[in-house]
Amino acid sequence: QVQLVESGGGVVQPGRSLRLSCAASGFTFSSYGMHWVRQAPGKGLEWVAVIWYDGSNKYYADSVKGRFTISRDNSKNTLYLQMNSLRAEDTAVYYCARDLFPGIAAAGLGYWGQGTLVTVSS
Amino acid sequence: QSVLTQPPSASGTPGQRVTISCSGSSSNIGSNTVNWYQQLPGTAPKLLIYSNNQRPSGVPDRFSGSKSGTSASLAISGLQSEDEADYYCAAWDDSLNGHVFGTGTKVTVL
Repeated sequence: QVQLVESGGGVVQPGRSLRLSCAASGFTFSSYGMHWVRQAPGKGLEWVAVIWYDGSNKYYADSVKGRFTISRDNSKNTLYLQMNSLRAEDTAVYYCARDLFPGIAAAGLGYWGQGTLVTVSS
Repeated sequence: QSVLTQPPSASGTPGQRVTISCSGSSSNIGSNTVNWYQQLPGTAPKLLIYSNNQRPSGVPDRFSGSKSGTSASLAISGLQSEDEADYYCAAWDDSLNGHVFGTGTKVTVL
């Protein structure tokens, strides 16, 4: 069965960096686009970034553009999110999610991890 | 930033039908299919409806979706206590090259 397990969250001071990881199993990782979605405490869902199945395209929400970098290692079945210049408003649970269908980013997010909490505070 | 607009809350008694609306624009709902997600308290979101009106395997047929122009809706018929959750619409946005989510609707079973 499809499994997505995030790690790397924690408490970090404003302006510092953090790298999240998402270990994937139960499917052919290299065939699917992958996303990061976040949810601030008590708030709604916010899409953060997407990376194409082969890493050829990456897109970001305006709120993180220039600060966050999405990447993947298909040999390790792992997705990453490098977060730099963190701000208090980046505090959220970060979920990784898989495209529903291979090669179709617009079809929806078919599988989600359990999330990892990032708290930006001094 | 939420680009799709939903009512903040909806409610009904067991067995009733509840409908949630989702309003977007030409760059998202008007150009792409709509998905709906259910988020039970303390859990990760789950895909409920994809491609406007398709249910993934395991989703009860009490849940149905529709789309018209730049708006969409989710209907829950035969409301059950386990349907109490937050519901989000979403669509790909051609201007952002990313998914946009709705503001979310909390469904309460009275």
